[in-house]
Amino acid sequence: SQQGEEDPQALSIQEGENATMNCSYKTSINNLQWYRQNSGRGLVHLILIRSNEREKHSGRLRVTLDTSKKSSSLLITASRAADTASYFCATAYGGSQGNLIFGKGTKLSVKP
Amino acid sequence: DAGVIQSPRHEVTEMGQEVTLRCKPISGHNSLFWYRQTMMRGLELLIYFNNNVPIDDSGMPEDRFSAKMPNASFSTLKIQPSEPRDSAVYFCASSLLGHTDTQYFGPGTRLTVL
Repeated sequence: SQQGEEDPQALSIQEGENATMNCSYKTSINNLQWYRQNSGRGLVHLILIRSNEREKHSGRLRVTLDTSKKSSSLLITASRAADTASYFCATAYGGSQGNLIFGKGTKLSVKP
Repeated sequence: DAGVIQSPRHEVTEMGQEVTLRCKPISGHNSLFWYRQTMMRGLELLIYFNNNVPIDDSGMPEDRFSAKMPNASFSTLKIQPSEPRDSAVYFCASSLLGHTDTQYFGPGTRLTVL
């Protein structure tokens, strides 16, 4: 399957701690995207990182991409209870007419 | 600017009934996607449209499912007849530049088929 796989499946931390989620994939990609889903809501796009980029930041989010290892990580620094959600990586293949495949997600719980 | 709009937000129906889900994408976006999410199978792409034309419907589970996009601002996903295994949350999403671009999701329709 071309689907990205997130690791871990579930993560529980205390408020203020950092949270790291990983995504591995199998074939070459055009870009990799991270999305967040709060319970009962739709997915919200967080960051898109292209295959020629190695790191991107957005506020408390830091995404890295290692194409040689076919993996990406999402780091949330100084987590808050409001960061509690499921986080999905989505891998894009095949150019503008290609496909975007979502993984099964990491469920993050941040305890106050 | 309004995001992706879906209706209804919740639908409860009995097996065998027809169900129609509706979606209004973000104005100016040329691609529209229908997804289904369940605990067991995760997020599955059902079909996507580019410039109102269906590009890939390989994810549509069977002939009971059909989708249309009569114009750039409206799409429907129809299930006829519905079955209990169709119970799921159905999401519509749109993007500006095709399938691999950033996708903007609607709030979803939670469908329960009794």
